[in-house]
Amino acid sequence: GAGVSQSPSNKVTEKGKDVELRCDPISGHTALYWYRQSLGQGLEFLIYFQGNSAPDKSGLPSDRFSAERTGGSVSTLTIQRTQQEDSAVYLCASSRWTGEKAFFGQGTRLTVV
Amino acid sequence: GQQVMQIPQYQHVQEGEDFTTYCNSSTTLSNIQWYKQRPGGHPVFLIQLVKSGEVKKQKRLTFQFGEAKKNSSLHITATQTTDVGTYFCKGGSEKLVFGKGTKLTVNP
Repeated sequence: GAGVSQSPSNKVTEKGKDVELRCDPISGHTALYWYRQSLGQGLEFLIYFQGNSAPDKSGLPSDRFSAERTGGSVSTLTIQRTQQEDSAVYLCASSRWTGEKAFFGQGTRLTVV
Repeated sequence: GQQVMQIPQYQHVQEGEDFTTYCNSSTTLSNIQWYKQRPGGHPVFLIQLVKSGEVKKQKRLTFQFGEAKKNSSLHITATQTTDVGTYFCKGGSEKLVFGKGTKLTVNP
């Protein structure tokens, strides 16, 4: 596609429910990143995929968070048993390879009520 | 991964004033990237600096990479209301770990 696409753009969920957030990177980009941004805060690194290598999960805040990237393209970030503190904007970015300029999606605004 | 410290955290200026934000690292960086995030938007890539002492300009924006490749600055001359947003730096060629950003507000 022309850019990084994320869906849904907004998600409201009840505390305790699971949610899945989707990211479609730019075609041909081998690196994919997930970030979390709370209101007025910086970019919190969550997880990073590079090609077929094992993902770098060092930023995931708890074992309720997981992500996968199928076929080196689309990625899904799953949050299980959501908590109110999970409310934030979740941003996905991709780049041709590690270290290249990154292109961000519009983000998914997650609200846990 | 490499971490960079960004200062100031906030900056409020009158339109027409200059603005500078700094990124500092305790380790040598292979490169540094700058991004801008408008209010309600997503980060957008501005520029990448690779060489020691490199200076690049984009209209009113001037980007510098220190001689030791441990610090960088973004300077905006004669700010305009369109410059409002948060400016992030990211150091190194590893996973994208960003500085905390400098939030710029401009009073018209």
